[in-house]
Amino acid sequence: GAVVSQHPSRVICKSGTSVKIECRSLDFQATTMFWYRQFPKQSLMLMATSNEGSKATYEQGVEKDKFLINHASLTLSTLTVTSAHPEDSSFYICSARKAGDRLGGEKLFFGSGTQLSVL
Amino acid sequence: QQPVQSPQAVILREGEDAVINCSSSKALYSVHWYRQKHGEAPVFLMILLKGGEQKGHEKISASFNEKKQQSSLYLTASQLSYSGTYFCGTESYSRNLIFGKGTKLSVKP
Repeated sequence: GAVVSQHPSRVICKSGTSVKIECRSLDFQATTMFWYRQFPKQSLMLMATSNEGSKATYEQGVEKDKFLINHASLTLSTLTVTSAHPEDSSFYICSARKAGDRLGGEKLFFGSGTQLSVL
Repeated sequence: QQPVQSPQAVILREGEDAVINCSSSKALYSVHWYRQKHGEAPVFLMILLKGGEQKGHEKISASFNEKKQQSSLYLTASQLSYSGTYFCGTESYSRNLIFGKGTKLSVKP
């Protein structure tokens, strides 16, 4: 089965620092990766769609200068939370769609998530 | 636009049945169903592509009414392991997957 690895699983940082989260597809190529954010007991909110080799597409209300996304290869996307503040504390999850999926309707493969706590 | 899920929460005894509904105001290409346990990533249950399609996964099945832009998830003879939050995700022709707010299911012995 397809595996998506997300690191780190948990990070605690001081306010004002930047945090990088990695999302790797281990045994498949992912042309598209999605980044979601989830607050406690709430839904997964799509933040941005990341396509390999091009700029990410951000959802309305998500600051692209705050949440930097890089999808440099077919197996790696990174999310950098710049100058993190306590309100950025959340559970961040990435997911990937396999390359070659042109028709849609294919399931997403999720990473295990990163719990970010900003002090 | 976020799909609407109902109910928000359900409490069942082991062996009871439940239905979770998901509706969208947009034309849909597909509907996905995932289950998430606390602190974990969502786990894929099934995808429905065609209007009226029904799919089954053990004692969990789902239907998709493309015309009404609705999907329902059916859980029969629930087990303790079914507890968790169920999310429907709707995929429109823009190809982004947007999740509903979730339905928290608690199965008690």
